Amino acid sequence: DTVLTQSPALAVSPGERVTISCRASESVSTLMHWYQQKPGQQPKLLIYLASHLESGVPARFSGSGSGTDFTLTIDPVEADDTATYYCQQSWNDPWTFGGGTKLELK
Amino acid sequence: EVQLVESGGGLVQPGRSLKLSCAASGFTFSDYNMAWVRQAPKKGLEWVATIIYDGSRTYYRDSVKGRFTISRDNAKSTLYLQMDSLRSEDTATYYCATQNSGYGNWFAYWGQGTLVTVSS
Repeated sequence: DTVLTQSPALAVSPGERVTISCRASESVSTLMHWYQQKPGQQPKLLIYLASHLESGVPARFSGSGSGTDFTLTIDPVEADDTATYYCQQSWNDPWTFGGGTKLELK
Repeated sequence: EVQLVESGGGLVQPGRSLKLSCAASGFTFSDYNMAWVRQAPKKGLEWVATIIYDGSRTYYRDSVKGRFTISRDNAKSTLYLQMDSLRSEDTATYYCATQNSGYGNWFAYWGQGTLVTVSS
């Protein structure tokens, strides 16, 4: 299976820029997607195909990368962005998710 | 507005069965591939199964093959997951989700989830 590795946690101050990384154990081309999950809620799609912003998602969110290294950027971070962020690949079977990065606001 | 409402979760003993349902509304259900994704308590997300828009093909992760069956009723806009021979490691919140039918296979819309607890 394709393993996606994410940093477990980050803490930033409102107004700052934050980058959340996701590294794949093998190439996934640009078939990488990002989700936000707030406590007690279902996941929400933010970015698909590495860099495409889902409709209705604020332009503060952006994605980049290809191959094995991907980044989700939030700029500027707002208090409401407190959540766990997951990457997911769909290039290799089975589709897999990263372990999640918990974003906390200082 | 897209709505996905799961039901059928609960406490079940190891080795027993449970059937989950997901009622869809707000979109043309028969146009979308559908999936089940689960999340064990305090853990990450794990894809479980996918069914093609017309029900002609299904896909499963290895750990549930032969035990779980995904199906759909397009006339009722409802997705199902029949879970047999349940194990403690199947304990999780189960989400149904729409899955892009074209290139990409991302999960666009998610339900609120239903909790399945496998314990004696």
